[in-house]
Amino acid sequence: DGGITQSPKYLFRKEGQNVTLSCEQNLNHDAMYWYRQDPGQGLRLIYYSQIVNDFQKGDIAEGYSVSREKKESFPLTVTSAQKNPTAFYLCASGTGRDRNEKLFFGSGTQLSVL
Amino acid sequence: SQQGEEDPQALSIQEGENATMNCSYKTSINNLQWYRQNSGRGLVHLILIRSNEREKHSGRLRVTLDTSKKSSSLLITASRAADTASYFCATAFTGGGNKLTFGTGTQLKVEL
Repeated sequence: DGGITQSPKYLFRKEGQNVTLSCEQNLNHDAMYWYRQDPGQGLRLIYYSQIVNDFQKGDIAEGYSVSREKKESFPLTVTSAQKNPTAFYLCASGTGRDRNEKLFFGSGTQLSVL
Repeated sequence: SQQGEEDPQALSIQEGENATMNCSYKTSINNLQWYRQNSGRGLVHLILIRSNEREKHSGRLRVTLDTSKKSSSLLITASRAADTASYFCATAFTGGGNKLTFGTGTQLKVEL
């Protein structure tokens, strides 16, 4: 069953704590993306990766970090430097080889601050 | 900054009616895409229209693109209660690779 899996579905963070959101895909896609969605808003790009061991900042990278050690995995760490982390986080992937291609999305992680 | 702005922000119609939502963007694009999001879920791709296309159909969906006005519209015909969701336009702007920039979305409610 191919697709993108995000975990956990709900996550709570204490002040000063780093938390990591998982994103795994078995679609053999090279490109992966992290978006943040605030209530009633559109999606904003945090980080993206076009290939293993390489990633670039998106529009709102401050307070976040990523790694891309494996093709299948693109975890996002929300650091203590992110002062307003409460949001819905979405991971997406694509082949990265066609400029006219759709993205496939995971089901999201809702992060809340305790 | 977000590339796309959508209009209206919210739309409520009766089942069987048509729903039209609009998207405007700011810079040159390679393509424009529409996605659907059910509450608390991920996005699902609906349709992609390339910059050299003017109209595209997929089932009950019709998308138009006017690059001179930097705008697009999504028409859902004969709407159903199951169409209730948020709809987002997303643009792949020229020189931006495969990154998508999303609009603010239209919340559609289809009532029985």
